[in-house]
Amino acid sequence: DAEITQSPRHKITETGRQVTLACHQTWNHNNMFWYRQDLGHGLRLIHYSYGVQDTNKGEVSDGYSVSRSNTEDLPLTLESAASSQTSVYFCASSDSPVGAFFGQGTRLTVV
Amino acid sequence: AQSVTQLDSQVPVFEEAPVELRCNYSSSVSVYLFWYVQYPNQGLQLLLKYLSGSTLVKGINGFEAEFNKSQTSFHLRKPSVHISDTAEYFCAVTSMDSSYKLIFGSGTRLLVRP
Repeated sequence: DAEITQSPRHKITETGRQVTLACHQTWNHNNMFWYRQDLGHGLRLIHYSYGVQDTNKGEVSDGYSVSRSNTEDLPLTLESAASSQTSVYFCASSDSPVGAFFGQGTRLTVV
Repeated sequence: AQSVTQLDSQVPVFEEAPVELRCNYSSSVSVYLFWYVQYPNQGLQLLLKYLSGSTLVKGINGFEAEFNKSQTSFHLRKPSVHISDTAEYFCAVTSMDSSYKLIFGSGTRLLVRP
């Protein structure tokens, strides 16, 4: 069965370190998205991609970057982790308006 | 641009009682509407969606929602809730310009008590 997987599921890192969160989907979707979930804010869009070599900034993109070298993967990089980036991160993919498929999430703690 | 407002951050309800979770949206273009459910420590699961046609849509687990264009609302309802319905519920919209970006509300925590 097709799926979307995120790794790691949990990570603790130190302030100032570079961190990369992985997202891999086997749906063969062109569109992929990264969200962060924080209490009281729901899910906010960080970055998204509509295909290979395409990346776009979302609502809360400062301090984050993505790259899309193939259809299956959209890694999210925190250039220099800050405590404000402690959050739960969700990756999603979609190729139609019928709704996106979400990964299980990565809980990131920056200490 | 679109925005979504979920008016209630938490809704406590007794088991077997009816429930309504409210969602209002704002958009200058036509939109698709969604409700997602998130159980503890899990990802988001699509509950139901409105794309076109009948304004009353039925989803999984006995939930339904009604699209009201004049009131820009998409409220979620269930006639009789179970303990297992305790979860976080998110309303979301995306525009019809094929961008498929989901814009989410802040979520409503449904707490079902015995």
